[in-house]
Amino acid sequence: AQSVTQPDIHITVSEGASLELRCNYSYGATPYLFWYVQSPGQGLQLLLKYFSGDTLVQGIKGFEAEFKRSQSSFNLRKPSVHWSDAAEYFCAVGADRGSTLGRLYFGRGTQLTVWP
Amino acid sequence: DTEVTQTPKHLVMGMTNKKSLKCEQHMGHRAMYWYKQKAKKPPELMFVYSYEKLSINESVPSRFSPECPNSSLLNLHLHALQPEDSALYLCASSPGFWTAGPEAFFGQGTRLTVV
Repeated sequence: AQSVTQPDIHITVSEGASLELRCNYSYGATPYLFWYVQSPGQGLQLLLKYFSGDTLVQGIKGFEAEFKRSQSSFNLRKPSVHWSDAAEYFCAVGADRGSTLGRLYFGRGTQLTVWP
Repeated sequence: DTEVTQTPKHLVMGMTNKKSLKCEQHMGHRAMYWYKQKAKKPPELMFVYSYEKLSINESVPSRFSPECPNSSLLNLHLHALQPEDSALYLCASSPGFWTAGPEAFFGQGTRLTVV
């Protein structure tokens, strides 16, 4: 069965520091992988996605993520965090076949706090 | 236009009321979704429409009734809700599963409070 694990519920970093948010997935085939960001009371904004090809993907707002099949991971990184990056981050894996076609399976989210 | 627009942004309703949430997209997407999100939790899938046909119903109670009148519009009709149904309701759309997988674009949500 498909599942997503985000082991860190809450991460605090200082502004200007680097960031890595962890995501591990379970899926039987090559997955569609996504990172979304959500500010309080808002909808989800797509940061980046991986379908196939280059395993290092670039997204918006200076974020990148690396797909590692051997580790079933899709970690999100940013070299220098800004105060405006404080938000909830969700990793998701998408189903592309069968009765689950179109489903997104979300991790529980990681809350990012940025210290000035 | 790259937006998914949801109305209203906020809704307070009594347990005997009937109300509807509306979602619109003009990106030519052929799949549309309803999600429910409680505080500090990830979104939970409720319904998926593909080419205007209901393809997934995640065993949602019948007091929630989805409708897809055309490829750009998705409604969620609400009736006899319970206080525990209070949540952020998110609509999303995706281009089509065979072109871009399940990549979803989300609206800003409707904050629903049932009193």
